[in-house]
Amino acid sequence: NAGVTQTPKFQVLKTGQSMTLQCAQDMNHNSMYWYRQDPGMGLRLIYYSASEGTTDKGEVPNGYNVSRLNKREFSLRLESAAPSQTSVYFCASRRTGLEAFFGQGTRLTVV
Amino acid sequence: SQQGEEDPQALSIQEGENATMNCSYKTSINNLQWYRQNSGRGLVHLILIRSNEREKHSGRLRVTLDTSKKSSSLLITASRAADTASYFCALPPSGTYKYIFGTGTRLKVLA
Repeated sequence: NAGVTQTPKFQVLKTGQSMTLQCAQDMNHNSMYWYRQDPGMGLRLIYYSASEGTTDKGEVPNGYNVSRLNKREFSLRLESAAPSQTSVYFCASRRTGLEAFFGQGTRLTVV
Repeated sequence: SQQGEEDPQALSIQEGENATMNCSYKTSINNLQWYRQNSGRGLVHLILIRSNEREKHSGRLRVTLDTSKKSSSLLITASRAADTASYFCALPPSGTYKYIFGTGTRLKVLA
């Protein structure tokens, strides 16, 4: 049982490049989430998906897009990366009313 | 803001001592959850307390919830060096799938 799997684990981008962070869960959870965590800070919600086919903005959505491809997969896209998007990105999934399970994180550096 | 505010922001104690951290919030909630994060890794769920519960125990962890004061506390008894981590409260507000985390308490347990 893999839980929540994120790829890649590390990425370096040049300013203006685009990339997609992948997330997949095998727990049949309805809700999925993308967070970013800056050094020494808490988690900030970027986007979330309450169920397959729906997505909603979180606290810091600017500069990002998401796709809930199916129940298992929720991807995060940076269309034109900026240095301010240097961060650690976490994907999570949960069943309504219960705890969340997190991936290992993607460490993204934009130079 | 729906976010929980935790205090203290940082806490340093000796091994064997107890550690207490608090989470205050503003919205109504169905439950409140506590998580641990070890040095930039994904968060791990510790304990969930429902809005109709006042206290809950799990091993060396004790969580209390006071809905009238909109606050919760996490007590770690007989702390160990391995408890060194950041601790976050999570608030799934009623009627929404948004899942917001508090600002976190950085706990350091000195051997």
